[in-house]
Amino acid sequence: EPEVTQTPSHQVTQMGQEVILRCVPISNHLYFYWYRQILGQKVEFLVSFYNNEISEKSEIFDDQFSVERPDGSNFTLKIRSTKLEDSAMYFCASSEGENIQYFGAGTRLSVL
Amino acid sequence: DAKTTQPNSMESNEEEPVHLPCNHSTISGTDYIHWYRQLPSQGPEYVIHGLTSNVNNRMASLAIAEDRKSSTLILHRATLRDAAVYYCILRDVRDDKIIFGKGTRLHILP
Repeated sequence: EPEVTQTPSHQVTQMGQEVILRCVPISNHLYFYWYRQILGQKVEFLVSFYNNEISEKSEIFDDQFSVERPDGSNFTLKIRSTKLEDSAMYFCASSEGENIQYFGAGTRLSVL
Repeated sequence: DAKTTQPNSMESNEEEPVHLPCNHSTISGTDYIHWYRQLPSQGPEYVIHGLTSNVNNRMASLAIAEDRKSSTLILHRATLRDAAVYYCILRDVRDDKIIFGKGTRLHILP
């Protein structure tokens, strides 16, 4: 069964460093998303992406965050200068239409 | 901003049916009822969704009240693998994102 793949599974970084989280969505999907989940808290929407542009973003998704689809298969989330409070699980999701979203297993980001 | 209300946790015995309730009294006519679940250390996983009629798929059944102000996710025969947090979510037909609440943590007893 096709699945969303995220790498790395765990990323450790120093505060102030840039990180790039990578996702390979399901191949025929057109809509892409990033969510995050701080330990013990709810899953929070960050951004949605369609047709090579951001379609919606939350207030969490500030100027420190950016997304890109650099080629036909990858979808990345970049955090320019990480803060301690960016430590969380980051989930990528994709969907064929604006309906069922398929999530990856997540990347655990630890900012020290 | 909670649009749905679910119990914090529930317990069920293995191999028995489980009924997970959800209240959504402020549901609008264009809101679909979606259920996702999150197994331990995993990303959320789609379970089922519906608008007005009851729905069945290989994972579960969704029973929607006639006034649409509540719904019930039914797992017909729970297994240990069904232990997860279950999220009941309202999504407007025009809405791209999923807004997750706290969900119901389902414990399955062997």
